[in-house]
Amino acid sequence: GAVVSQHPSRVICKSGTSVKIECRSLDFQATTMFWYRQFPKQSLMLMATSNEGSKATYEQGVEKDKFLINHASLTLSTLTVTSAHPEDSSFYICSASSSGDRGGKNIQYFGAGTRLSVL
Amino acid sequence: KQEVTQIPAALSVPEGENLVLNCSFTDSAIYNLQWFRQDPGKGLTSLLLIQSSQREQTSGRLNASLDKSSGRSTLYIAASQPGDSATYLCAVTLGGSRLTFGEGTQLTVNP
Repeated sequence: GAVVSQHPSRVICKSGTSVKIECRSLDFQATTMFWYRQFPKQSLMLMATSNEGSKATYEQGVEKDKFLINHASLTLSTLTVTSAHPEDSSFYICSASSSGDRGGKNIQYFGAGTRLSVL
Repeated sequence: KQEVTQIPAALSVPEGENLVLNCSFTDSAIYNLQWFRQDPGKGLTSLLLIQSSQREQTSGRLNASLDKSSGRSTLYIAASQPGDSATYLCAVTLGGSRLTFGEGTQLTVNP
């Protein structure tokens, strides 16, 4: 099956620093990648959708200058949390899908997530 | 706007019991519906995917049904085991790849 690698799995940083999270599709070309945020005991909230080579589309209420998304290649997307603050502490999960997916089912394949803790 | 609701929010059962998790969605014009499993602090594992034209999908002890017209899906787990303990998420796709998730059902199977 398709594999999505997300790195790092956990990061602890000081307030005011920036943190970059990588999401890679290992065995397929991801035309679209998604970034989600999950608070404890809550469901996944879509933050943004990115298509390779174009600007990301952010959901309402998500600050695009705060959460920078880059999808420069068909196998890599990055999420940078700029000037992180304690309220940015959360679990961030990426997923990837391909327009040429098997049977055209538009299936999303998920990374293992990144636990961000801002001190 | 599509809304997905899962009932119950939490469920605790003894080992060996059969159980049903429920998912409902407000917009029946879905492309597909997926059930995921999430272990604490981990990512999502896809369990079953049902296309809008299908009524059910089975994988091992899991069976998922879909009634698109009424906006409902169920996940049936047979002969539950402690290893089934996790949060189960239901998600629907209206078009493209965008998923809308429910809040999840936290399942605990007691030995």
